[in-house]
Amino acid sequence: AQSVTQPDIHITVSEGASLELRCNYSYGATPYLFWYVQSPGQGLQLLLKYFSGDTLVQGIKGFEAEFKRSQSSFNLRKPSVHWSDAAEYFCAVAPMDSSYKLIFGSGTRLLVRP
Amino acid sequence: DVKVTQSSRYLVKRTGEKVFLECVQDMDHENMFWYRQDPGLGLRLIYFSYDVKMKEKGDIPEGYSVSREKKERFSLILESASTNQTSMYLCASSFGEQFFGPGTRLTVL
Repeated sequence: AQSVTQPDIHITVSEGASLELRCNYSYGATPYLFWYVQSPGQGLQLLLKYFSGDTLVQGIKGFEAEFKRSQSSFNLRKPSVHWSDAAEYFCAVAPMDSSYKLIFGSGTRLLVRP
Repeated sequence: DVKVTQSSRYLVKRTGEKVFLECVQDMDHENMFWYRQDPGLGLRLIYFSYDVKMKEKGDIPEGYSVSREKKERFSLILESASTNQTSMYLCASSFGEQFFGPGTRLTVL
């Protein structure tokens, strides 16, 4: 069965430090890949997506993610975290034959230390 | 600007009540979705609709039904609310990328 694993439930970083959030997926073929962010009390906002092509994807708010087929991973990175990045982050995949049907990971909550 | 709205941000209902959650999108999207979000479980798909009057069960449809009479509106119905349906409910619409509403936090007492 398809699944998405975000192994870190919580991550705390200091403001200005770099960030990497991990995401691994289990799927027979390369799916479409997404990262969403949810600020407190808000819905989800798309940060970036990977469909094909360049495996390093740039998103909004200074985030990027790298698709590594050999590791079935799609980790999210940011070189310098801002206090406003504190939120919950969700990785999601969608099979290529039904790109509208997302499967989400359980989320990683990011805390930013001043 | 893209907009998905949900009828209530917070809702408190009693066990056994019939509950309607409404979602409206203004982007003329074919696809609409209802998810529930629970701590440690991420988002799980309840139902989705790929056209007016068309629907398909998601991963956890038990205890829920949906209605899509107009393209812009997708309703989630809890026929007889139970305490284990206390959750955050998120609606989304898509044409490729999914756009989410702000969510409805439902408490069933």
